[in-house]
Amino acid sequence: GQSLEQPSEVTAVEGAIVQINCTYQTSGFYGLSWYQQHDGGAPTFLSYNALDGLEETGRFSSFLSRSDSYGYLLLQELQMKDSASYFCAVRMDSNYQLIWGAGTKLIIKP
Amino acid sequence: DSGVTQTPKHLITATGQRVTLRCSPRSGDLSVYWYQQSLDQGLQFLIQYYNGEERAKGNILERFSAQQFPDLHSELNLSSLELGDSALYFCASSPSGRTHNEQYFGPGTRLTVT
Repeated sequence: GQSLEQPSEVTAVEGAIVQINCTYQTSGFYGLSWYQQHDGGAPTFLSYNALDGLEETGRFSSFLSRSDSYGYLLLQELQMKDSASYFCAVRMDSNYQLIWGAGTKLIIKP
Repeated sequence: DSGVTQTPKHLITATGQRVTLRCSPRSGDLSVYWYQQSLDQGLQFLIQYYNGEERAKGNILERFSAQQFPDLHSELNLSSLELGDSALYFCASSPSGRTHNEQYFGPGTRLTVT
């Protein structure tokens, strides 16, 4: 079967840096996506990595290692508005179907 | 605002009933995806359409069906509803070309089956 593992909850302090990890076991792999979802809201796209390495978009960066079946989302200069759930999702094939992790709830303390 | 619209926002119905959820993708997006999210859970992929044709199927129950119309809007039909079908149902769309891996989600329809 297909599986994605990410921590269920992470706590960090405002202004700090936090890393949310994702490991995957899937029968195919095209790329790894990250989405943010605030309570009661819809998921919003953050990043997509198809190749190994780090991609930076403002305060958020995403990393992928295909050989380790591992990726992470790095959030810098944490703000209270970053409190949300973060989902990793794998694109497995030439369709754009995504397999989703269960999500990591990020709690930010002042 | 993602540009994806879903109606209705909330739906309360009884077991055994049938409902239809509607989604309009962003202007120009040909792909539509349907997801189910139960309380505090991840998203379960249900089905994908591309330009009117079914492209991929996930864990969609036989009681559920969907279609995408020529104007690209999509409908998800849920029948013989059970208590366990209570969930948030999201529709997403994605563009073609360079940003095709980005999915844009509608606000969701919260279905409560009593």
